[in-house]
Amino acid sequence: RKEVEQDPGPFNVPEGATVAFNCTYSNSASQSFFWYRQDCRKEPKLLMSVYSSGNEDGRFTAQLNRASQYISLLIRDSKLSDSATYLCVVNRYNNDMRFGAGTRLTVKP
Amino acid sequence: GAGVSQSPSNKVTEKGKDVELRCDPISGHTALYWYRQSLGQGLEFLIYFQGNSAPDKSGLPSDRFSAERTGGSVSTLTIQRTQQEDSAVYLCASSSQGATEAFFGQGTRLTVV
Repeated sequence: RKEVEQDPGPFNVPEGATVAFNCTYSNSASQSFFWYRQDCRKEPKLLMSVYSSGNEDGRFTAQLNRASQYISLLIRDSKLSDSATYLCVVNRYNNDMRFGAGTRLTVKP
Repeated sequence: GAGVSQSPSNKVTEKGKDVELRCDPISGHTALYWYRQSLGQGLEFLIYFQGNSAPDKSGLPSDRFSAERTGGSVSTLTIQRTQQEDSAVYLCASSSQGATEAFFGQGTRLTVV
């Protein structure tokens, strides 16, 4: 079983739609959690951290459920520029960060 | 400041040849990761180095793959007897102790013909 599991998609949504990505992780001792974004032919970059109480950054909302070992990312009012691959990341311990395979999103006009 | 540097940026090699891919992490970063991404596929974990600890090699797909990290800094990923299925973008990332972010290099695009 992979450390971090994500639905690979692709998700194809119209502009303005709300879309949610889910992620599960296997190591219950994992300490911190993140979402990264990867544009086509580019390297992944940090999008946002995920806090236990949930957190928002503009149109993006991240949630963590430690009991279920589940992380989510919600994007509201999707823009064309949101088209990318979204990677779930888990910091297991001792700064050992493991990346999910990613979920591909395409926002269409 | 300097980010993670990978070389070469592109490599075309003949099937059966050995290749070496290099990663220069950000200075002072103790953790170093190798991932690969095949065309249209997701990110696949290969190996993780943390300081002087034994590396986690659990993601290496076969014994043709090996990696070293010398002096806790530069890392080399070696693929022996390359196969066409090894064609992918090989990404290296590094992070510092207690960090909340891993920084990636721009990758090495390997094509085995």
